[in-house]
Amino acid sequence: SQQGEEDPQALSIQEGENATMNCSYKTSINNLQWYRQNSGRGLVHLILIRSNEREKHSGRLRVTLDTSKKSSSLLITASRAADTASYFCATAHTGGGNKLTFGTGTQLKVEL
Amino acid sequence: EAGVTQSPTHLIKTRGQQATLRCSPISGHTSVYWYQQALGLGLQFLLWYDEGEERNRGNFPPRFSGRQFPNYSSELNVNALELEDSALYLCASSLRGTDSKPQHFGDGTRLSIL
Repeated sequence: SQQGEEDPQALSIQEGENATMNCSYKTSINNLQWYRQNSGRGLVHLILIRSNEREKHSGRLRVTLDTSKKSSSLLITASRAADTASYFCATAHTGGGNKLTFGTGTQLKVEL
Repeated sequence: EAGVTQSPTHLIKTRGQQATLRCSPISGHTSVYWYQQALGLGLQFLLWYDEGEERNRGNFPPRFSGRQFPNYSSELNVNALELEDSALYLCASSLRGTDSKPQHFGDGTRLSIL
C-alpha cells in the first residue's frame, strides 16, 4: 500500500510560473525523496532530504520537510515546458532500510 | 557514466507463463531494488538486494522472486503470470548502506500479459 498522498493530483500552469506540490506520509521516516517521471519512462531522482533537515535547494527546486506534520513540499520556480511530468515523493521509513514507499504522484503540465 | 539498464524494454506473455526481467546497476552500486508500477496501483516496492542477499521484500506472492549476481546485476522472475501482473517493472540501484542513499532508476520493462 502507498504511504504517501500527494496533492494536487494534477496541476496546470503557464511557463514562468511557480509550481508547488505537497506530500503527506503516515509513519516516521529516515528520509524523503522526490522523483520525476516522464510519460512511461523511468524515474529521475531530484532531491533527497533527511529527517533532520528542514529545507533543501537544488537549482530551481526547493524542498521543505515538516516531520511534526509528516509533510513535505516541492517548489519548482520559473517553470518550463520541459518540466511537464509526473512528480512523486518517496519515503524511506524508520526500520525499513532503503526501501522506498511512493506517493500517488502529481501530474504537472506546463503550458507555453 | 552509464545509468541503470534494464532488458527487455517490452515483454509480452500469456497467462501461466514465466517472465524474466534483467537489470544492470550503475557501476559501483551494490544495492538493487525492484518496483512495480501498475495502472491504478501506483509504484509498489517488490524486492531489495544488496551484496547478493535479499534484504527486504514487499507484499507480493512468492511467485515473484529474484536474485543478485556477483557482478551486482539482478534478475526478477515472475512465475505463473496473471493478467494483473501487467505493469511497468522498474529497477533502481544505489550505493551500499542502509542510511539515506538516493536510488537511480532504469527506464523499466513493460510486461504485458495477454
